[in-house]
Amino acid sequence: ETGVTQTPRHLVMGMTNKKSLKCEQHLGHNAMYWYKQSAKKPLELMFVYSLEERVENNSVPSRFSPECPNSSHLFLHLHTLQPEDSALYLCASSQEQGSNQPQHFGDGTRLSIL
Amino acid sequence: AQSVAQPEDQVNVAEGNPLTVKCTYSVSGNPYLFWYVQYPNRGLQFLLKYITGDNLVKGSYGFEAEFNKSQTSFHLKKPSALVSDSALYFCAVRYAGSGNTGKLIFGQGTTLQVKP
Repeated sequence: ETGVTQTPRHLVMGMTNKKSLKCEQHLGHNAMYWYKQSAKKPLELMFVYSLEERVENNSVPSRFSPECPNSSHLFLHLHTLQPEDSALYLCASSQEQGSNQPQHFGDGTRLSIL
Repeated sequence: AQSVAQPEDQVNVAEGNPLTVKCTYSVSGNPYLFWYVQYPNRGLQFLLKYITGDNLVKGSYGFEAEFNKSQTSFHLKKPSALVSDSALYFCAVRYAGSGNTGKLIFGQGTTLQVKP
């Protein structure tokens, strides 16, 4: 149990669907992150939230829309995705943005785009 | 620019033998260095970190890593490998200076295969 819970664990959707990924952390952390992990590629940071404010957006296409309603919850809203968006999406949290404390990861959502 | 390199895609060792997973980094200023492990169908789990002080840091599951500033390396080591250590290992670096957004730069990962 890492203290970071992601749902659903698996998601299959068509390119015209709209879905959301959810992340919840029970660690009292102030910063939350979305990463994309594709086969044979390094981990890609997508978004960073600190104290519920987005502080980084790494040139992610607008078909990915993050939301952080409070410091414990993070969502990734998906619409009109492309086949190349199929990947493992990982959520992480840390005590503070930029601190020397490690990030704690959830087990990810395996996303498949038909 | 910050970067991390893990030069080996895969490392194979026999159970009971020592293991080393290599990592080199490039960062302007002092680094924070981390090792993570990922088992199949799981997220990344934190193993250990170097912030400052003793160059040899000890972490979970008997792993340790040695920070070498002159060689800009942070290799992960374990004296005696277990079959259960077989997994994907990631090295990561963060610039320790001010104005840092907390962004971690990850290496591409090294698959460790421990054979009985």
